[in-house]
Amino acid sequence: QSALTQPASVSGSPGQSITISCTGTSSDVGGYNYVSWYQQHPDKAPKLMIYDVSNRPSGVSNRFSGSKSGNTASLTISGLQAEDEADYYCSSYAGSSTSHYVFGTGTKVTVL
Amino acid sequence: EVQLVESGGGLIQPGGSLRLSCTASGFTVSSNYMSWVRQAPGKGLEWVSVIYSDSSTFYADFVRGRFTISRDNSKNTLFLQLNSLRAEDTAVYYCVRGPYYYDSSGRHAFDIWGQGTMVTVSA
Repeated sequence: QSALTQPASVSGSPGQSITISCTGTSSDVGGYNYVSWYQQHPDKAPKLMIYDVSNRPSGVSNRFSGSKSGNTASLTISGLQAEDEADYYCSSYAGSSTSHYVFGTGTKVTVL
Repeated sequence: EVQLVESGGGLIQPGGSLRLSCTASGFTVSSNYMSWVRQAPGKGLEWVSVIYSDSSTFYADFVRGRFTISRDNSKNTLFLQLNSLRAEDTAVYYCVRGPYYYDSSGRHAFDIWGQGTMVTVSA
């Protein structure tokens, strides 16, 4: 099972909006509404930001939003802030006949 | 407080074995889906294994037959037995609740992460 494809890096200025894509196949992202997104600051454990494609857990800022179209999921960060600078990973269920769960390749978000 | 605390990592020679432990507080391991996710130095996240609440276990293709996930319900603890270790298994291993959990409704994600334990495989 291959990792989901994300851009290596995305950057934006404070206050701007950025979008990170996560491309898979019909066997993972496209086949299930089980996409989640994680934020990871250096030397820290990942933090859940979005579950089930577009839902935010309690405590996560509403500046973070998720969506999906076909085999590609997206995370949008609006009103970019300095503390949003981190690595972001998507994840999806990939079915019981494969490795079950797969992560994306990761995207480094830089706030200019 | 809801948290996961891993232990058991260290330096091990190729071909060796190691057992990682993860003790949960604030929730019951046996009632949840629990996973191990690893991250090699400077690399991305990689799902390793899951144990469901019904005790079913599943593994990533790259570890099947070498690693074993288990739990001790009396100690509210999750384990990962690592055998036949290779240099490419060097990584931080995270204990995680998920990929499914219940919080007012069922949710598909990894929501609680431990701080991670480092496993280094080197001669």
